[in-house]
Amino acid sequence: KQEVTQIPAALSVPEGENLVLNCSFTDSAIYNLQWFRQDPGKGLTSLLLIQSSQREQTSGRLNASLDKSSGRSTLYIAASQPGDSATYLCAVRQGTGGFKTIFGAGTRLFVKA
Amino acid sequence: GAVVSQHPSRVICKSGTSVKIECRSLDFQATTMFWYRQFPKKSLMLMATSNEGSKATYEQGVEKDKFLINHASLTLSTLTVTSAHPEDSSFYICSARDAPRGRVGYSYEQYFGPGTRLTVT
Repeated sequence: KQEVTQIPAALSVPEGENLVLNCSFTDSAIYNLQWFRQDPGKGLTSLLLIQSSQREQTSGRLNASLDKSSGRSTLYIAASQPGDSATYLCAVRQGTGGFKTIFGAGTRLFVKA
Repeated sequence: GAVVSQHPSRVICKSGTSVKIECRSLDFQATTMFWYRQFPKKSLMLMATSNEGSKATYEQGVEKDKFLINHASLTLSTLTVTSAHPEDSSFYICSARDAPRGRVGYSYEQYFGPGTRLTVT
């Protein structure tokens, strides 16, 4: 059974710092992995989608990597800003016996001005 | 950016009744729509994906007869919770994408609605 874990559960950093959020999964037979952010009162935003054949995806200050063999993905945020404060979720999609997307519990990030 | 709306934002219904939630893409044609459910402790679950002109594809473990999804047009999808029970109370979120992956000229961005809070009494 696939399990998705995000560590840490919460993180507080000063503005300007580069940071890494971690996502680990137990079954490497995945179809893709997606990172989202959720802002209270503003809803969900899809950040990056990495297909199983890819190693990383980049969008602006965000870079997501995928290492299937070790069951890990990282979301790197460069030069963090207070506007980056949100809950970051990773989700693993697998297709064995029917598609299923499993979400991690999220990392709550707070960037201090 | 593109806007996705949901209606209603909140709904309370009695156990045994059915409730319909609408999801609309306001300024783009959504060839693919997704329905998610968020549980009280923030855990998210993708329920189903629907592509234009075809039936919804339900995720493993989701009851298709209970959660009816209709991608009625390129700008509208509806989720009907049939014979609702208190355990169906949840936050339902829809998302829309303008094109399947790989189609040239589309952003392939996924846009989310603000969610609908369903309470079944």
